[in-house]
Amino acid sequence: GQQVMQIPQYQHVQEGEDFTTYCNSSTTLSNIQWYKQRPGGHPVFLIQLVKSGEVKKQKRLTFQFGEAKKNSSLHITATQTTDVGTYFCAGTSGTYKYIFGTGTRLKVLA
Amino acid sequence: DAGVTQSPTHLIKTRGQQVTLRCSPISGHKSVSWYQQVLGQGPQFIFQYYEKEERGRGNFPDRFSARQFPNYSSELNVNALLLGDSALYLCASSLTGPYGYTFGSGTRLTVV
Repeated sequence: GQQVMQIPQYQHVQEGEDFTTYCNSSTTLSNIQWYKQRPGGHPVFLIQLVKSGEVKKQKRLTFQFGEAKKNSSLHITATQTTDVGTYFCAGTSGTYKYIFGTGTRLKVLA
Repeated sequence: DAGVTQSPTHLIKTRGQQVTLRCSPISGHKSVSWYQQVLGQGPQFIFQYYEKEERGRGNFPDRFSARQFPNYSSELNVNALLLGDSALYLCASSLTGPYGYTFGSGTRLTVV
């Protein structure tokens, strides 16, 4: 079945440093979504990418969808303590089922 | 506007018992999905319903069932509970299009 892996599993950064998480799917995706989950909270939708090679920015966050539509990345510039949480990608191959990745837990040290 | 509401927030059940979890989607959202999230892992897809019809089912045993009502609210039922069913159960609603899921705060189920 379809699998979505994320690396790294954990990342500790100093406040102000950059952070990147990578998402890799075993199958070609029709689109991919990114979510953030704060400790003790629920996933919150960040963005959806649909087109091959697509790049979208939200303030300090940059999202990319790979040319082959099998991988994606999220890059945060100059992390802040408010960025703490687990970042999940979720992809679908065109069905109504979104498969969530394994997540990257980000800790920001002040 | 109210977000996705789930009830109850916490639940403790004994092995072998049955449980019903409830979800009310955002007004106007016709699609409801259920996910199970075990501590430290990503959400696992259980069901999706749209206009009261099951659209998709994840790799969960038949002990798990769900339904959607005419007002688009939904229930998730789990029979013959096992210790391994202990998890956060998340309900999410969505519109068609690039809007993503809006998740509720979840129901924390503990099976003892």
